[in-house]
Parts: sequence; structure tokens; C-alpha cells
Amino acid sequence: EPEVTQTPSHQVTQMGQEVILRCVPISNHLYFYWYRQILGQKVEFLVSFYNNEISEKSEIFDDQFSVERPDGSNFTLKIRSTKLEDSAMYFCASSTGTSGTYYEQYFGPGTRLTVT
Amino acid sequence: GQNIDQPTEMTATEGAIVQINCTYQTSGFNGLFWYQQHAGEAPTFLSYNVLDGLEEKGRFSSFLSRSKGYSYLLLKELQMKDSASYLCAVRDHNTDKLIFGTGTRLQVFP
Repeated sequence: EPEVTQTPSHQVTQMGQEVILRCVPISNHLYFYWYRQILGQKVEFLVSFYNNEISEKSEIFDDQFSVERPDGSNFTLKIRSTKLEDSAMYFCASSTGTSGTYYEQYFGPGTRLTVT
Repeated sequence: GQNIDQPTEMTATEGAIVQINCTYQTSGFNGLFWYQQHAGEAPTFLSYNVLDGLEEKGRFSSFLSRSKGYSYLLLKELQMKDSASYLCAVRDHNTDKLIFGTGTRLQVFP
């Protein structure tokens, strides 16, 4: 069964450093998302991406964050200068659907980011 | 504003039935999802409701009342492996983003 993959599974970085989290969505999917989950808290939407541009971003997704689809398969989340409060599990998700149509978002296994 | 409420924790016995409730107040609505999440793992899709009524899928059923802003997930014949968090999520009307509740941690005891 096709699945979303993410690398690395765990990333430790120092405050102020840049990190890039990588995702390979399911191959025929067109809509891509990043969510994060701080330990013990709810899953929070960060950004959605379609047709090579951001569709929507949350207030969490400030100028320190960026997303890119550098080739036909990868989808990346970059944090330019990490802060302690960026420590969380970051989930990538993808889907085929458009608004008004039934679909589900498939989640990857996540990258645990620890900022020290 | 966006508000999705679920009980924080529930316990149940193996073989029993449990109902996990979710109430929502969101600025838009285009479907409600239930996901299961084991500790340290990704959410996995369980069910989807966009119209009022009950959707049944094996041991799992989900109900929606849009007028009441209410859904529940019903788990029958509980198994130990059903111990997990259950996340209620509303899909925004204008976008595709999912707005999650805090999740309900279910513990199943023998």
C-alpha cells in the first residue's frame, strides 16, 4: 500500500540553526500539508501546498518557515533559525482530493525535532 | 473561532463498547474525520462524515449531527490494541486544512 515517508525520523539541532525536514508524498497525490504536534498537545495545521504554491498557512507558519517541492517527489519544510518552542513532531500529509469531494489525508510517520 | 472538544481520557474493558464524543464550533464545515493515533506514531484515518447520520465500518462507527455540532465514534468489541488516542478533526469549508481536537486517550483493560 502506498505511504507517505519522512526523513529523518529524529533531528536534534541547536537553537538558531536551520533544519530541513523532508517528505515524499504518495505519488499521485496533489495536495500536501505540514502539521506539527508539540508533546502532549493537539495536532496543529501549519501549511497546505498545491500546484507549486502555498494554499493556506496558519499563524504559526511565520517568516522562519518555508516549504518547497524541489522536484517531482519531495516536499520539504525548512525552519531558518530554530527556537526552543519549535521542538515538536512534524507530520507531512498528502491527499488527492479537492474541496467538496470525499478524500482523506494520509499522514507520514513524522519527524521528531528537538531544539536544544 | 475554532473550538473542538473531546474528553481527555476514557477507560474501558476488553470486549466492551465505548463511545467517544466530539463537539465542534468552527467557522466553516466540510466534513468531520476521526483518526487513531498510537503513542509516538502518525494519525491513521478511521472514518469520515459529511452528512448527518451513522457511518459503519466494521467494529467502528461514526455519527454526525451538523445542527448540533456533534459527532461520536463508537468502538465495539474492544481489543487491547485499541488503546490509543482518538482524534476528532473538522475540515475547513474553504480550504482543505484539518482542525484537530486535543484527542481522547482510550485505555482498554483486560
